[in-house]
Amino acid sequence: GAGVSQSPRYKVAKRGQDVALRCDPISGHVSLFWYQQALGQGPEFLTYFQNEAQLDKSGLPSDRFFAERPEGSVSTLKIQRTQQEDSAVYLCASSVTPTGELFFGEGSRLTVL
Amino acid sequence: ELKVEQNPLFLSMQEGKNYTIYCNYSTTSDRLYWYRQDPGKSLESLFVLLSNGAVKQEGRLMASLDTKARLSTLHITAAVHDLSATYFCAVDPSKMPTNSGYALNFGKGTSLLVTP
Repeated sequence: GAGVSQSPRYKVAKRGQDVALRCDPISGHVSLFWYQQALGQGPEFLTYFQNEAQLDKSGLPSDRFFAERPEGSVSTLKIQRTQQEDSAVYLCASSVTPTGELFFGEGSRLTVL
Repeated sequence: ELKVEQNPLFLSMQEGKNYTIYCNYSTTSDRLYWYRQDPGKSLESLFVLLSNGAVKQEGRLMASLDTKARLSTLHITAAVHDLSATYFCAVDPSKMPTNSGYALNFGKGTSLLVTP
């Protein structure tokens, strides 16, 4: 597609449920990033992929968070046993090269009740 | 830890007025970005500043970078309602390409409201 596509756009989960958020980057983009944006805050880095390799996961807040990009294109961010503090917008971004311009998707807004 | 501080966090200004948003950061970096975000929308890249003294202008917005002072400014000239949005600066803490790509550090954003 023309831009970075994320789904679902909105997700409501009960505390303790598992959720999966999908990111379709721009075709041909090597680098893919996940960011978490809490209400009224700037985005915070979660994890980075170069092709299928997850090269940096230092921003993942706990071992309940897991991300994958098995074929080097679509990526999935999975959150297990969701907690209320996980409520945020999860942004995906991609770039042609690791230091190239980032293109952001519109985000997946997760609300944990 | 790299800290990125923007001020003001909230700004209400009248159409036609000028104002400057400031972005301070705590460690050496040669790459700074400005983004715009409309409510419920994604981040739109406005400017990429890659060297000390860099100045870029697009319409009523002008961004500059002083790496020695670790300061970037976003100047708004003759504001119009369409500029109402949240503006983020983001700093790349890496001095050279690494295997981590670049994990931008964002400020908290400046919410701008331009009123008639």
